[in-house]
Amino acid sequence: QSALTQPASVSGSPGQSITLSCTGTSSDVGGYDYVSWYQQHPGKAPKLMIFEVTNRPSGVSNRFSGSKSGDTASLTISGLQAEDEADYYCTSYTSSSTYVFGTGTKVTVL
Amino acid sequence: EVQLVESGGVVVQPGGSLRLSCAASGFTFDDYTMHWVRQPPGKGLEWVSLISWDGGSTNYADSVKGRFTISRDNSKNSLYLQMNSLRIEDTALYYCVKGTLTTVTTQFDYWGQGTLVTVSS
Repeated sequence: QSALTQPASVSGSPGQSITLSCTGTSSDVGGYDYVSWYQQHPGKAPKLMIFEVTNRPSGVSNRFSGSKSGDTASLTISGLQAEDEADYYCTSYTSSSTYVFGTGTKVTVL
Repeated sequence: EVQLVESGGVVVQPGGSLRLSCAASGFTFDDYTMHWVRQPPGKGLEWVSLISWDGGSTNYADSVKGRFTISRDNSKNSLYLQMNSLRIEDTALYYCVKGTLTTVTTQFDYWGQGTLVTVSS
């Protein structure tokens, strides 16, 4: 199972919006609405930000939103803040009843 | 408060074996599917394995299939990962991760802090 494809890095200025992509295949991202996104700060465990493509867990800022079109899922961060600087990973359920993570995107706040 | 505390990570030689443990608390452990996810130093996340609430269903990433075995003891609120025939590429921080009540885990909502496994001669 190959990792989902994410851009290595995305940057933006405070207050801007940025969008992170996560591209898979019809056997994972395109086949199921079981895409979730995780934020990871250095030395910390990942934190759930979005689940089932568009849903935000309680306590996660509404500046984070998710979507999906075909085999590509996206995470949008609006009103970018310094604390959003972190690594972000997507993951999807697969047709093999396993899970696959994305390659990860480093978000830099300029 | 949900807590997942991993243990058992050490330095081991290639070809060696190791068992990781995860002590769970703060939720009804035997209701939930549980997972192991790993992260090599400085690299990305990799899903490793899952076990259903009753241990009746398991699955593995191709990279560990046939070498790793996941198990659980619901009476002890504990999750395990038996790792055999270890390879240098198995070096990683291993996270214990809580799944969901549904048959398919839709979100990894709680993670432990991880235990470091280093495979080196």
